[in-house]
Amino acid sequence: GDSVTQMEGPVTLSEEAFLTINCTYTATGYPSLFWYVQYPGEGLQLLLKATKADDKGSNKGFEATYRKETTSFHLEKGSVQVSDSAVYFCALSGESSNTGKLIFGQGTTLQVKP
Amino acid sequence: SAVISQKPSRDICQRGTSLTIQCQVDSQVTMMFWYRQQPGQSLTLIATANQGSEATYESGFVIDKFPISRPNLTFSTLTVSNMSPEDSSIYLCSVVWQDKSGANVLTFGAGSRLTVL
Repeated sequence: GDSVTQMEGPVTLSEEAFLTINCTYTATGYPSLFWYVQYPGEGLQLLLKATKADDKGSNKGFEATYRKETTSFHLEKGSVQVSDSAVYFCALSGESSNTGKLIFGQGTTLQVKP
Repeated sequence: SAVISQKPSRDICQRGTSLTIQCQVDSQVTMMFWYRQQPGQSLTLIATANQGSEATYESGFVIDKFPISRPNLTFSTLTVSNMSPEDSSIYLCSVVWQDKSGANVLTFGAGSRLTVL
């Protein structure tokens, strides 16, 4: 079945460092891909998405490109801030027709130190 | 996007008891979804709640353990029955919303954090 694999955390960076969180997926067909973020004590928020191959999703300085040839959707940010400290989840829309069913990766905790 | 309110936001429960979580959406939606996030783990879909029909459960989840109600297009409840410590999780309500580009996006409530002693 469909699955998502993220790099394990926690990832600890200094402020203004470059961030990459790897995400690869296995899916049939052409899923949509998402990054969600969960700040401490809060619910999940959609960070960005891409719905077809070669699309680049971007938001708040974060970017991810839908790479079908490598089945990847890596999250990047050129200069992280302390306020980016959170748990990041990669997800894909499953092959079922249930549009509410997302397959999530295990989450990657990012800690940014001043 | 839709605004989703859940309550309780957190609770501490005794083993063997049941707790009902409420989810209110500020607009009418056809389907509502209940997810579980176990400690340190990812999110898993429990069931899809449609108004006027029984909920559809994912593999590994059953109605007797997680009964769901969907009385109207803006409200749903999830009950966690006969709780054990293994049920300690964050339970999240979510709905699909169409964003500006027309893409369907899943939006979540803040979650209900349950601790079972």
